[in-house]
Amino acid sequence: DVQMTQSPSTLSASVGDRVTITCRARQSISSWLAWYQQKPGKAPKLLIYKASSLESGVPSRFSGSGSGTEFTLTISSLQPDDFATYYCQQYNSYSFTFGQGTKLEIK
Amino acid sequence: QPQLQESGPGLVKPSETLSLTCTVSGGSISRSSYYWGWIRQPPGKGLEWIGSISYSRNTYYNPSLKSRVTISVDTSRNQFSLNLSSVTAADTAVYYCARHLSAAFFDFWGQGTLVTVSS
Repeated sequence: DVQMTQSPSTLSASVGDRVTITCRARQSISSWLAWYQQKPGKAPKLLIYKASSLESGVPSRFSGSGSGTEFTLTISSLQPDDFATYYCQQYNSYSFTFGQGTKLEIK
Repeated sequence: QPQLQESGPGLVKPSETLSLTCTVSGGSISRSSYYWGWIRQPPGKGLEWIGSISYSRNTYYNPSLKSRVTISVDTSRNQFSLNLSSVTAADTAVYYCARHLSAAFFDFWGQGTLVTVSS
């Protein structure tokens, strides 16, 4: 399995802030990485795929970058609806793995 | 856009088999290119992929669960199913079904169903 490690585990920020979450893979996964947003009691929602492609309907304040082993999810200006937990997922190999999650909290 | 809905018992006894079904509406489950997977999330923890089945019925399982998992598809009912045998308390989780392309991201998810393993 390809282990995925996210940092930080928890992030406190304010509305309007620019925030970045990092996801690192133990081995190269090219650009085969997705990002999801999950709110309490809800299923994850796809935000970004292929490291930097924005899913249809997702606000443009979300962006992704990276390749190989290091990836980032950036929210350019936090909105109240963005406080949630974020997960990365690799799909380079057919044993999909997720990062442990980053909880984005209101400061 | 497809809609997915999980169903099955919310309580399973230790050592028994957990069985869940995902019903897909808004599109044929046998449409080529699409794969159908199961993901779980223990309370307060992260996401774990369990396994997937392709439109051509090829199956792919998480190596850590492979010995206990079976995923099957019933195209006549537009459903796919999960069986997880010999369950323990560690298998208590919200179980999600989801759609993906081959070796790809999950674009549509069910709402999830909580399964508790307890005597």
